[in-house]
Amino acid sequence: DQQVKQNSPSLSVQEGRISILNCDYTNSMFDYFLWYKKYPAEGPTFLISISSIKDKNEDGRFTVFLNKSAKHLSLHIVPSQPGDSAVYFCAASERGRGSTLGRLYFGRGTQLTVWP
Amino acid sequence: SAVISQKPSRDICQRGTSLTIQCQVDSQVTMMFWYRQQPGQSLTLIATANQGSEATYESGFVIDKFPISRPNLTFSTLTVSNMSPEDSSIYLCSVEEAGTPCFGSGTRLTVV
Repeated sequence: DQQVKQNSPSLSVQEGRISILNCDYTNSMFDYFLWYKKYPAEGPTFLISISSIKDKNEDGRFTVFLNKSAKHLSLHIVPSQPGDSAVYFCAASERGRGSTLGRLYFGRGTQLTVWP
Repeated sequence: SAVISQKPSRDICQRGTSLTIQCQVDSQVTMMFWYRQQPGQSLTLIATANQGSEATYESGFVIDKFPISRPNLTFSTLTVSNMSPEDSSIYLCSVEEAGTPCFGSGTRLTVV
């Protein structure tokens, strides 16, 4: 059973516009969320994360929003650039009080294409 | 961030054979994780490898099929045994650095 879902397999955005990637989860015990970016023939690269005690985290062009009541998070990229074209994975963890994240639960990814 | 090297980067194997994937990290880490990504699917944790103890396998994965070694704090291997076409996947090694999971570049396995 997929506990983390990315319902849009692909997204196409024009350069300079906002990209919004969405992620839903079902497990209310998840308390830490991450986004990864993956280029072909490379492993996933960490992008940004958010703890469940926050509803927003920003890092440069990337902002992650968390809506715990809706069990939904989104990644906003503003402005989008052609180099952002990649597969984006949402991941979640039941971190609890532990110092390590342990197992991550991943969505299936969204292929973002940013065209000039 | 930690540099994680995986070998081989890709391979094409005959069904019924076994392949051992190596993962080398440039720093000492307590836990190493092995994930699998089947075509069109999400990354799924196979097992957690701790140095000096047996690996802990997730539901649906067994030691006979995916034996893991962890001889020291910087190295681990995952073997995919008695392969079938369903084992065709990307296999990824992961470690946590400063609380953030990092991944190797992966091993793309095709079983024919």
